Amino acid sequence: AQSVAQPEDQVNVAEGNPLTVKCTYSVSGNPYLFWYVQYPNRGLQFLLKYITGDNLVKGSYGFEAEFNKSQTSFHLKKPSALVSDSALYFCAVRLPLISGNTGKLIFGQGTTLQVKP
Amino acid sequence: DTGVSQNPRHKITKRGQNVTFRCDPISEHNRLYWYRQTLGQGPEFLTYFQNEAQLEKSRLLSDRFSAERPKGSFSTLEIQRTEQGDSAMYLCASSGTSGSINEQYFGPGTRLTVT
Repeated sequence: AQSVAQPEDQVNVAEGNPLTVKCTYSVSGNPYLFWYVQYPNRGLQFLLKYITGDNLVKGSYGFEAEFNKSQTSFHLKKPSALVSDSALYFCAVRLPLISGNTGKLIFGQGTTLQVKP
Repeated sequence: DTGVSQNPRHKITKRGQNVTFRCDPISEHNRLYWYRQTLGQGPEFLTYFQNEAQLEKSRLLSDRFSAERPKGSFSTLEIQRTEQGDSAMYLCASSGTSGSINEQYFGPGTRLTVT
């Protein structure tokens, strides 16, 4: 079965420090990988995606993510955290649009990022 | 505003009542998805439309649930005979043209509370 795991319910970092939010996946084939962020009372906002190519992808608000095929991981990173980065982060995978795949996203359970001043 | 919109934003209903939610996708997007998110969990896929055709339904979508997308524009999700277990955030997302690798854009969601 296809699944996404975010092993940490919450990550706490001090403002200005680097942050990492972990994500691993179990999907057959070559999935597409995404990170979304959710602020309170708002919908999910797209941060970045990995489709193919360079394993390090850059996205919105200074976030980046590193794809590691051998470890089936796609960890979200930022060199210097801001208090405003505090939110709920979701990793998601999607299968390529072939063989009847409809492009639905499979999400992890989410990780709450708390950045303290 | 050219984003995905959903109405209502909140709905409180009594068990056994029927409810209907609406999603207006980004106008040029032909793909539309419904997800359900419960507290402390990631969104779970419910159903998918490509234009007006409903091409996939999750096992989560019991026979009390029905979704439509007439003319490939807005979509509605109806829940009949609501149960307390239906309480959740219902999210709608849309994405671009077939064959391209586009991210999904999400609406703000409709929060359903069944009392």
